[in-house]
Amino acid sequence: GNSVTQMEGPVTLSEEAFLTINCTYTATGYPSLFWYVQYPGEGLQLLLKATKADDKGSNKGFEATYRKETTSFHLEKGSVQVSDSAVYFCALRNAGGTSYGKLTFGQGTILTVHP
Amino acid sequence: EAGVAQSPRYKIIEKRQSVAFWCNPISGHATLYWYQQILGQGPKLLIQFQNNGVVDDSQLPKDRFSAERLKGVDSTLKIQPAKLEDSAVYLCASSLSGTAYEQYFGPGTRLTVT
Repeated sequence: GNSVTQMEGPVTLSEEAFLTINCTYTATGYPSLFWYVQYPGEGLQLLLKATKADDKGSNKGFEATYRKETTSFHLEKGSVQVSDSAVYFCALRNAGGTSYGKLTFGQGTILTVHP
Repeated sequence: EAGVAQSPRYKIIEKRQSVAFWCNPISGHATLYWYQQILGQGPKLLIQFQNNGVVDDSQLPKDRFSAERLKGVDSTLKIQPAKLEDSAVYLCASSLSGTAYEQYFGPGTRLTVT
C-alpha cells in the first residue's frame, strides 16, 4: 500500500539556519504530494503542494519539489524563524484504486527554532 | 470565514467508558473526515462522509467506534467502550465536495483513556 516516510525528529535549529526535512513516499500511480504544518494547539494547515512530477510547491519561504525518480518531496527553507517552530507532516493523496483521494500522512517531524 | 469547530478540546475518561466528539464543518463543505492521530504518528483516516453518506470507513473499528452525520452538516464520533489504546487526538476536517479539494482541519479533541 501507499506510505510516507519522514526524517526522524526532533529537529532543533538556530534562527536564520537552513532547514531540510526529508520525505520519501511509496505509491502506485501518480499521487499528489503535500506538506502540512501543525502549530501548537492548532489543527493541521496546508503549507504547500505539488500535483505532478517536477512541480515545485512554495509558500511562506518554504519550498518542496516533486521528484518522481527518487520518490521524494523534501521540505526546505533558507532561513528559519522562531515562529516556524511546529510539527511538519508530509502527505500524499492516492491517485487511483479503491482509496482514490485518500490522504496518507508521514509520522511528522517536530521543528524547534531557537533565537 | 469560520473554520472547522470541534468540541470538547480535551477529555479524560476511564477505560470501558463511552465518549462522544462533535464537529461542525465549514459552511458549504459537503465532505467531512474524522482522523485519529496517536502521539508520534501522522493522522489516520477513520471515516469519510459525503453529505450524510459514508464514503470510506475501512479503518474504523466498528466494534467500538461509530459516527454519524444525520443532516449532512455537523457530525458526531462515538467510542463505546473506550480502550487505553484509543488515547489520541481526534481531528475533524472538511472540504468542498470530493477529495480533490483542500481539506481544512479543526483543532482536534485530545482524548486520554486511563
